[in-house]
Amino acid sequence: DIVMTQSPDSLAVSLGERATINCKSTQSVLYNSNRKNYLAWYQQKPGQSPKLLIYWASTRKSGVPDRFSGSGSGTEFTLTISSLQAEDVAVYYCQQYYSTPRTFGQGTKVEIK
Amino acid sequence: EVQLVESGGGLVKPGGSLRLSCVASGFTFSSYTMHWVRQTPGKGLEWVSSISYNSNYIYYADSVKGRFTISRDNAKNSLYLQMNSLRAEDTAVYYCARDLEQWLILGFFDYWGQGTLLSVSS
Repeated sequence: DIVMTQSPDSLAVSLGERATINCKSTQSVLYNSNRKNYLAWYQQKPGQSPKLLIYWASTRKSGVPDRFSGSGSGTEFTLTISSLQAEDVAVYYCQQYYSTPRTFGQGTKVEIK
Repeated sequence: EVQLVESGGGLVKPGGSLRLSCVASGFTFSSYTMHWVRQTPGKGLEWVSSISYNSNYIYYADSVKGRFTISRDNAKNSLYLQMNSLRAEDTAVYYCARDLEQWLILGFFDYWGQGTLLSVSS
């Protein structure tokens, strides 16, 4: 199984500042034939279901604010919130879909400083 | 608007059975791979099972293989999870989720239901 590890487990960022979340996989999730990274990011606000933010490591889902961006390749990935807003308080998860079983990171809790 | 509504959760004794249901609306259910994902405070998010649009491809996590059965009824826009031989560690909120694109099995989760809580305890 591919193990996904996020860092940090939590972070507190001032409003308007940048938040950066890292995600590492124990094996590459880059599929050589199409050069796509099989990596998604989700946001889960308190009391809500997770919501898809980004897939293919860097493709923002329609409707997701452009302050959210994803980057990385192979085994190391980053979710960046360029200017944190109050409504971004949530737990963020990465997930690989390169192989079965699909696996998630443990989550990173983002709070306002 | 895409909607996924789960039901069927509850309190079950270890060794018992339960069937979860998920009714879909707002999209062509019969064209999409569907999934079950569960969430516990301790283990976080865990993928449970997937079923292709035509039920030809079915996958399970090792933790539920042989105990859980995923199925769908495209005429009823419904997804199911039959859970047998339940254990305490199956206690979780169970979400049904839709894959991103029609006809494909991509394996990530574009839309999620609100979840239904299963508790396994004596």
